[in-house]
Amino acid sequence: DAGVTQSPTHLIKTRGQQVTLRCSPKSGHDTVSWYQQALGQGPQFIFQYYEEEERQRGNFPDRFSGHQFPNYSSELNVNALLLGDSALYLCASSLALYNEQFFGPGTRLTVL
Amino acid sequence: QKEVEQNSGPLSVPEGAIASLNCTYSDRGSQSFFWYRQYSGKSPELIMSIYSNGDKEDGRFTAQLNKASQYVSLLIRDSQPSDSATYLCAVNMSGAQKLVFGQGTRLTINP
Repeated sequence: DAGVTQSPTHLIKTRGQQVTLRCSPKSGHDTVSWYQQALGQGPQFIFQYYEEEERQRGNFPDRFSGHQFPNYSSELNVNALLLGDSALYLCASSLALYNEQFFGPGTRLTVL
Repeated sequence: QKEVEQNSGPLSVPEGAIASLNCTYSDRGSQSFFWYRQYSGKSPELIMSIYSNGDKEDGRFTAQLNKASQYVSLLIRDSQPSDSATYLCAVNMSGAQKLVFGQGTRLTINP
């Protein structure tokens, strides 16, 4: 049973650039949530996708956008990167109406 | 007041002892509560979920929930060095699907 997968594992970008992160949910799951985790902090909710629509959004600027595909996989896009966007980006999958979320290995983004 | 609060630690416990981790939350309408374990450099791993008042046991782990007092705790019995990690408390606030996390408690088990 494949778990949540994310790509790439690590990424280095410069300020002002754009980045796309990818996530495939656990087999059988239909909901994908994205989180940002700064060093020493708990994950912060960015947004959640279900049925290819953004269902809920956290306190993140419009530079953060996403997409969900018919196969339930998802992308997170960040435009105009800032130094403060350096973090571990986590994707979590779940079944709609169930609250247990399972995390992928994460993508470590470094903005120089 | 933070939505979910944890003591950041570090919490140091001798091997074989009971480790006790605590978490408080602000939204009285919250219904779902989770404990995640996160090893350094890794992603969070779900270890316990609890939805009703009382205790829930799974192996060496026991989650305790008291909605009236708005706290949830995790007990780890017979602590092992491999339990050394950061433990994150997460709560589903009422009316929301997102998880709100505490900042985590760093636990060290000393051999």
